[in-house]
Amino acid sequence: QVQLQESGPGLVKPSETLSLTCTVSGGSIGGYFWSWIRQPPGKGLEWIGYIYYSGGTNYNPSLKSRFTISIDTSKNQFSLKLNSVTAADTAVYYCARDSASMGWFDPWGQGTLVTVSS
Amino acid sequence: DIVMTQSPDSLAVSLGERATINCKSSQSLLYSSNDKNYLTWYQQKPGQPPKLLIYWASTRESGVPDRFSGSGSGTDFTLTISSLQAEDVAVYYCQQCYNTPYTFGQGTKLEIK
Repeated sequence: QVQLQESGPGLVKPSETLSLTCTVSGGSIGGYFWSWIRQPPGKGLEWIGYIYYSGGTNYNPSLKSRFTISIDTSKNQFSLKLNSVTAADTAVYYCARDSASMGWFDPWGQGTLVTVSS
Repeated sequence: DIVMTQSPDSLAVSLGERATINCKSSQSLLYSSNDKNYLTWYQQKPGQPPKLLIYWASTRESGVPDRFSGSGSGTDFTLTISSLQAEDVAVYYCQQCYNTPYTFGQGTKLEIK
């Protein structure tokens, strides 16, 4: 059974770079699309972007190119970088698998809360 | 971007009664090539990630109780819980996967009356 686990700092200062990693266990990262999704406290879900196992990416254009998603198939991990963070980037960040390459997400990681504050 | 709008924002239903949540998209989610609607439903309980319930508007994910059903086509969709159980208290989201950027509805909070 595939499981995903996010890791990274819980607190980031404004204007700095946020880096998160999602580790995939119980299955191979190969053959799938892998997404990052975020949820500000008490609010709804926002898709950030995905990466295919071969490295191709697709980002949400509303987020103004501040995000970079990368993948390391040798470690069964993919990562998210967000530069120039502001308080508006405070959210729970989830990683998730596009289970059938059809755009729906299953499974999800448990999520990691990232707070942007000085 | 495709805008997803859910109604109502919150809903209180008695145990054993039917709960109905609506989702409307700003454009059709029906792919004519395969006659599938690219509309997904999730359930999110407090402190947990969303859980996939239904994809292709009406196909129940494996392991999801059959009291959950999805219907609709084109731009109008419905999630129905036929007999509300206490464990169904959650926020429910619809999501379009017709094209990127994938977008979600704002969520519907379901409570017990």
